[in-house]
Amino acid sequence: AQSVTQLGSHVSVSEGALVLLRCNYSSSVPPYLFWYVQYPNQGLQLLLKYTTGATLVKGINGFEAEFKKSETSFHLTKPSAHMSDAAEYFCAVSEGGANSKLTFGKGITLSVRP
Amino acid sequence: GAGVSQSPSNKVTEKGKDVELRCDPISGHTALYWYRQSLGQGLEFLIYFQGNSAPDKSGLPSDRFSAERTGGSVSTLTIQRTQQEDSAVYLCASSILAGAPRETQYFGPGTRLLVL
Repeated sequence: AQSVTQLGSHVSVSEGALVLLRCNYSSSVPPYLFWYVQYPNQGLQLLLKYTTGATLVKGINGFEAEFKKSETSFHLTKPSAHMSDAAEYFCAVSEGGANSKLTFGKGITLSVRP
Repeated sequence: GAGVSQSPSNKVTEKGKDVELRCDPISGHTALYWYRQSLGQGLEFLIYFQGNSAPDKSGLPSDRFSAERTGGSVSTLTIQRTQQEDSAVYLCASSILAGAPRETQYFGPGTRLLVL
């Protein structure tokens, strides 16, 4: 069975500082990995995804993530935080097959201090 | 183009009543998913549709929950005899291809259900 671990529930950074949100996964097969962002009272929006190929994936709003198979990790980073980045971030994994359902981590709330 | 839409956006009901939640996926999307987001359980998969059939219902928490999809489009999630633990945000997502894990799932804004 697949699972996702996002350590901690809240991260606070200063505007302009590096954002690092950690995600580790467990999967019995090569996974497909996703980061979604959720703004208050909205649905989830895809930031980026890893399927195959290049392990460094670039997404929207300046975010990127690197798939590290040896560490079973898919950490999300952004060099310089902006106030508008304040939201909840979810890491998710799909093992593929006929279903393609997503298994989500618990989510991390990112706060950005002026 | 139009995204995934869900209705109602908010629903307050009394314990024991039945509720229906509606999802309109992106036009042409074959796959449709229902998820539930609650404080205690996070985001959980409920059911997956491929066209009008539901090959995976493994996430439905009890037999009070059912869902259908008609015309390969609109889906309805029905909760019978609602309980307070059913209070959550119900999210619908669709993707263009079924059985294609690399495809992005596009989420609707959700229906916030409160059972009193």
